[in-house]
Amino acid sequence: GEDVEQSLFLSVREGDSSVINCTYTDSSSTYLYWYKQEPGAGLQLLTYIFSNMDMKQDQRLTVLLNKKDKHLSLRIADTQTGDSAIYFCAERRSYKYIFGTGTRLKVLA
Amino acid sequence: DGGITQSPKYLFRKEGQNVTLSCEQNLNHDAMYWYRQDPGQGLRLIYYSQIVNDFQKGDIAEGYSVSREKKESFPLTVTSAQKNPTAFYLCASLGGQQTQYFGPGTRLLVL
Repeated sequence: GEDVEQSLFLSVREGDSSVINCTYTDSSSTYLYWYKQEPGAGLQLLTYIFSNMDMKQDQRLTVLLNKKDKHLSLRIADTQTGDSAIYFCAERRSYKYIFGTGTRLKVLA
Repeated sequence: DGGITQSPKYLFRKEGQNVTLSCEQNLNHDAMYWYRQDPGQGLRLIYYSQIVNDFQKGDIAEGYSVSREKKESFPLTVTSAQKNPTAFYLCASLGGQQTQYFGPGTRLLVL
């Protein structure tokens, strides 16, 4: 299909790891992105991965890319209450960027 | 500080009125984008501009217009033809590694 798909909600306990999943559509996408959106704010770029990579780690964030299944995941280690937000994955398709519907992460104290 | 600014933060539109949302960037980026975000949905592309004096329609351009007279500025006008304008509007510019950088957004409400 045309859509980038994400599950709508995820709830984790503070200190646990969070894993947010995304299925994208275009196997020729060169870049894939993860953004964070806090209430009433714009999107903040968290990280990106180039399509020739399988994994990228940046402090508490780990991105895994499975090109065969067109599956992208974002793992947040030691999740904190400040990580509560909506997380969007996005793929670059030619000149356009296609965004998922977002996963709302709720971190329980 | 370098970044993207959008104004106003909140905007109210009366029926039949055109309103203009401002987007300014001092990042020296060539390409700029406008998106619309509705509750529980992802971002939908309204218009984009790859260079000054050039812009293209996105997926939901009807009822909107843009101009790109300066590299730093990409204003969006919501016209009276847009029958359901209530949404959160996000502007972005394109930086290195083909990454988009977003402004803080403008929430448009209809009176």
